[in-house]
Amino acid sequence: NAGVTQTPKFRILKIGQSMTLQCTQDMNHNYMYWYRQDPGMGLKLIYYSVGAGITDKGEVPNGYNVSRSTTEDFPLRLELAAPSQTSVYFCASQTGGSGNTIYFGEGSWLTVV
Amino acid sequence: QQQVKQSPQSLIVQKGGISIINCAYENTAFDYFPWYQQFPGKGPALLIAIRPDVSEKKEGRFTISFNKSAKQFSLHIMDSQPGDSATYFCAASKGSNYQLIWGAGTKLIIKP
Repeated sequence: NAGVTQTPKFRILKIGQSMTLQCTQDMNHNYMYWYRQDPGMGLKLIYYSVGAGITDKGEVPNGYNVSRSTTEDFPLRLELAAPSQTSVYFCASQTGGSGNTIYFGEGSWLTVV
Repeated sequence: QQQVKQSPQSLIVQKGGISIINCAYENTAFDYFPWYQQFPGKGPALLIAIRPDVSEKKEGRFTISFNKSAKQFSLHIMDSQPGDSATYFCAASKGSNYQLIWGAGTKLIIKP
């Protein structure tokens, strides 16, 4: 059981470039999340989805976009990369709602130079 | 009122000692309080969780203590081991709102 899989693991982007972080889960979870974690800091929610075709903004959505065309996939698009987007990005998924375990991917390390 | 405040930011404990990490919240509607453990280079993983109808929950060497009146909860790691060295996050959520409100994390180092 692969769980939550993120690609790429590491990426260096130049300022102004765009890219997509891929996330897929094989647990048939309805809820999916994208977080960013800056060094020494906690997790900040970027976007989330409660099911295919439904997405919504989290705490720090500016500079990002998401889509959810299938239950399994939840890609995160970075448009016009900025140094402030240098971070570690985590995709996560969860079945049902409150009180259920959130399963995280292993993270994608992004550096914008 | 949505915040969860976690302390300390970092903690060094000798092997065999007790590690204690504290969290405080304001929103009395919170009804689910998990702790997640994150090893370097990995994503967080659920360690233990509690609901406010109990004051304590123990799983092996890990215990959550919950003080509803003080709006605080804490993680205790007994007989701390070097393998427990990780970053620990507390979090909270309320009712049907599945989104977790996260603490800022505590980097725990267990010295051999």
